[in-house]
Amino acid sequence: GAVVSQHPSWVICKSGTSVKIECRSLDFQATTMFWYRQFPKQSLMLMATSNEGSKATYEQGVEKDKFLINHASLTLSTLTVTSAHPEDSSFYICSARAVARRSSYNSPLHFGNGTRLTVT
Amino acid sequence: AQTVTQSQPEMSVQEAETVTLSCTYDTSESDYYLFWYKQPPSRQMILVIRQEAYKQQNATENRFSVNFQKAAKSFSLKISDSQLGDAAMYFCAYRRKSGGGADGLTFGKGTHLIIQP
Repeated sequence: GAVVSQHPSWVICKSGTSVKIECRSLDFQATTMFWYRQFPKQSLMLMATSNEGSKATYEQGVEKDKFLINHASLTLSTLTVTSAHPEDSSFYICSARAVARRSSYNSPLHFGNGTRLTVT
Repeated sequence: AQTVTQSQPEMSVQEAETVTLSCTYDTSESDYYLFWYKQPPSRQMILVIRQEAYKQQNATENRFSVNFQKAAKSFSLKISDSQLGDAAMYFCAYRRKSGGGADGLTFGKGTHLIIQP
């Protein structure tokens, strides 16, 4: 089946540094990728929608200058947490939707394995 | 805005028994998708079952079935013959169809399912 690879699976960084998380679709092309954030024992919250070749769409309350998203190709989207602080520590998960012949709305979503970010 | 509500933070069931997880949602859309995802301790999101709103027939996947009540905006998941491997967090999720595939999922807060051996 379709695979979405997310890297790294975990990262520890110091406060003030930036961290880049990659989301790759390995065996399909993804027109749209989504980035979610999940705090411990809580639900997944959509942060932003990443569209290949265009600017990401951010959900209300998500700082676009802090969470930089780049979707430069149909198989790769990156999320960069800039000037990370301890409150940014969380589990970040991406998902991707395959390009379908007729339309993409009915394409299934495939999730990456997530990245656990710890900011010290 | 759409909202998804899971009113059961935790459920416990004996192995081989049946359990039902509740989910209600709110939307002004007439056509949309509903999902149940399983998240085991590995944190991998696994699709359990999916329902299209315009289909009146309840979706079924082996031991997993849903009771979709569109008028009541209810979408419960029934797990039959519960197995130890079913233990996980279960999330109910919604996505509208009109967004052309550009919409992410709206998740409920999840239900922690415990299987008693």
